[in-house]
Amino acid sequence: DVKVTQSSRYLVKRTGEKVFLECVQDMDHENMFWYRQDPGLGLRLIYFSYDVKMKEKGDIPEGYSVSREKKERFSLILESASTNQTSMYLCASRPTSGSTGELFFGEGSRLTVL
Amino acid sequence: AQSVTQLGSHVSVSEGALVLLRCNYSSSVPPYLFWYVQYPNQGLQLLLKYTSAATLVKGINGFEAEFKKSETSFHLTKPSAHMSDAAEYFCAVSLGNTPLVFGKGTRLSVIA
Repeated sequence: DVKVTQSSRYLVKRTGEKVFLECVQDMDHENMFWYRQDPGLGLRLIYFSYDVKMKEKGDIPEGYSVSREKKERFSLILESASTNQTSMYLCASRPTSGSTGELFFGEGSRLTVL
Repeated sequence: AQSVTQLGSHVSVSEGALVLLRCNYSSSVPPYLFWYVQYPNQGLQLLLKYTSAATLVKGINGFEAEFKKSETSFHLTKPSAHMSDAAEYFCAVSLGNTPLVFGKGTRLSVIA
């Protein structure tokens, strides 16, 4: 089975702190994604990566950056956390070849910024 | 660009009743369509997907969905609701090589 692991399930940070959300997948998938989930807004795409050292902006990249130094790891970085970044963050991956677009998700990281 | 509209942010059904969650999509070319389920404090789990084979797709836990091109719809159904079906459900669309675009979700409540 595909496993996508998000290192922190729950985090509490203060305004202005730098925050790292880590995601690791064990199925050699080329594509990785970060979504943000908020009540009533569904899932919104922050950043994605089609391969190592590649990154593309999604629909709401402002205030975020990403790093993909290794194929299995995709990190989301909040340079200076703000209260409006309090949310559930979901990481996902999928293969490139033969892909129908189906994503495999991690359990999510719930971030609270005080 | 693709988009998804889920009608009804909250649906409530009695246990044993029909579940119907509505999803309409917009896409310039034939898309791939998905339904995901999310239980509290968990990630998303794939229920079923349409990949241009059969238009009636069967998924896990007794759910199924029918792709209707003429109506640009992909509604999710289950004949008899169970308490364990209470969760949030997301419809999503993709062209295969593009990121998934999700609807805003429908919360399903099941009343005993």
